[in-house]
Amino acid sequence: DGGITQSPKYLFRKEGQNVTLSCEQNLNHDAMYWYRQDPGQGLRLIYYSQIVNDFQKGDIAEGYSVSREKKESFPLTVTSAQKNPTAFYLCASSDSTTNEKLFFGSGTQLSVL
Amino acid sequence: QKEVEQNSGPLSVPEGAIASLNCTYSDRVSQSFFWYRQYSGKSPELIMSIYSNGDKEDGRFTAQLNKASQYVSLLIRDSQPSDSATYLCAVKHNFNKFYFGSGTKLNVKP
Repeated sequence: DGGITQSPKYLFRKEGQNVTLSCEQNLNHDAMYWYRQDPGQGLRLIYYSQIVNDFQKGDIAEGYSVSREKKESFPLTVTSAQKNPTAFYLCASSDSTTNEKLFFGSGTQLSVL
Repeated sequence: QKEVEQNSGPLSVPEGAIASLNCTYSDRVSQSFFWYRQYSGKSPELIMSIYSNGDKEDGRFTAQLNKASQYVSLLIRDSQPSDSATYLCAVKHNFNKFYFGSGTKLNVKP
């Protein structure tokens, strides 16, 4: 089945620790995105990538980093510089050439210990 | 000013009624508009997409777009308790950036 796989489903971060959220897609989509959702809030764009080896900052990129070494993978690292990381993180992808819709993974809930 | 604005609700309607959800956006050049449904703790799922002025119907759902007023809405006919969720309006900007509203929580009462 084609889709987007995020892991882990739940993640706990200790103070000062970097953690990496995984996002893999087998939809052959060029564009991939990371969003953050706080309780009762909409989605805010962290980073997005249109093609391999290229990515752009979204509206709340501070304290986060990404890489796009393969078309299928777009991992997000939450660094220790992100002082309030507790949120629901959603990875998404789209085929920007033919199908504009965003497809979402199942999300990762990150909490601080 | 936020890129996409929605009334946070909650919007309460009785079962069988029409639910009307509204959204305004700030970027006049936006061309693509989407409604997503999100259940608590789950990821958003696409309900409707609309690209041109007017109405677009899909089953019990109708999306309406008015680019002159920068307004997009979603009507849900014959609302069911299973429609109770948060509805997110999304707008696609240049360079394939998607912006989301804060969502409207819908409660359908049996």
